[in-house]
Amino acid sequence: GESVGLHLPTLSVQEGDNSIINCAYSNSASDYFIWYKQESGKGPQFIIDIRSNMDKRQGQRVTVLLNKTVKHLSLQIAATQPGDSAVYFCADVSGSARQLTFGSGTQLTVLP
Amino acid sequence: DAGITQSPRHKVTETGTPVTLRCHQTENHRYMYWYRQDPGHGLRLIHYSYGVKDTDKGEVSDGYSVSRSKTEDFLLTLESATSSQTSVYFCAISSLSYGYTFGSGTRLTVV
Repeated sequence: GESVGLHLPTLSVQEGDNSIINCAYSNSASDYFIWYKQESGKGPQFIIDIRSNMDKRQGQRVTVLLNKTVKHLSLQIAATQPGDSAVYFCADVSGSARQLTFGSGTQLTVLP
Repeated sequence: DAGITQSPRHKVTETGTPVTLRCHQTENHRYMYWYRQDPGHGLRLIHYSYGVKDTDKGEVSDGYSVSRSKTEDFLLTLESATSSQTSVYFCAISSLSYGYTFGSGTRLTVV
């Protein structure tokens, strides 16, 4: 079936640098995408979302880019901080009950 | 997380026994979901509900059943637990207008 996947399972960055986490999706009918952050022992926490009629959306220190031509999604975190260390998931929304389909996740580690 | 609670938080059970996990919400959201999370995988959808007594299967529904007799409660039952069902289970709620909120998870170990 169609799914959402991530390019890299792990990412290490120096504190203060920018981080980029990538995601590829296959469902061309997906019209809504969400990035989640998950810390150890906790549930996924909403970071930012984007609809398919947009190319870019910015939040506080985070930016999501959507390239529908190549079905690619990215999350950019500016000035990465130690508190950003976590697993990041992209998810797409589909179905009559708007179910989330998750990618496998990227472990972000911020180095001092 | 505010408005959604899962119980129990941790459970160890023996193979072959029935297990029920509970998700309770105070937000009056229409949609509720059960996911499981295993190492190396993102969250995978088990079952979901779009109203009282209205439920449907997700990607990994085999061995699981659900019930929703009232808006605030969504129960996930493992009829006869197996070791492959050892996992962390997350409940989520959604009203579509307000996005999705996840519970803190239930860590289930089947021995």
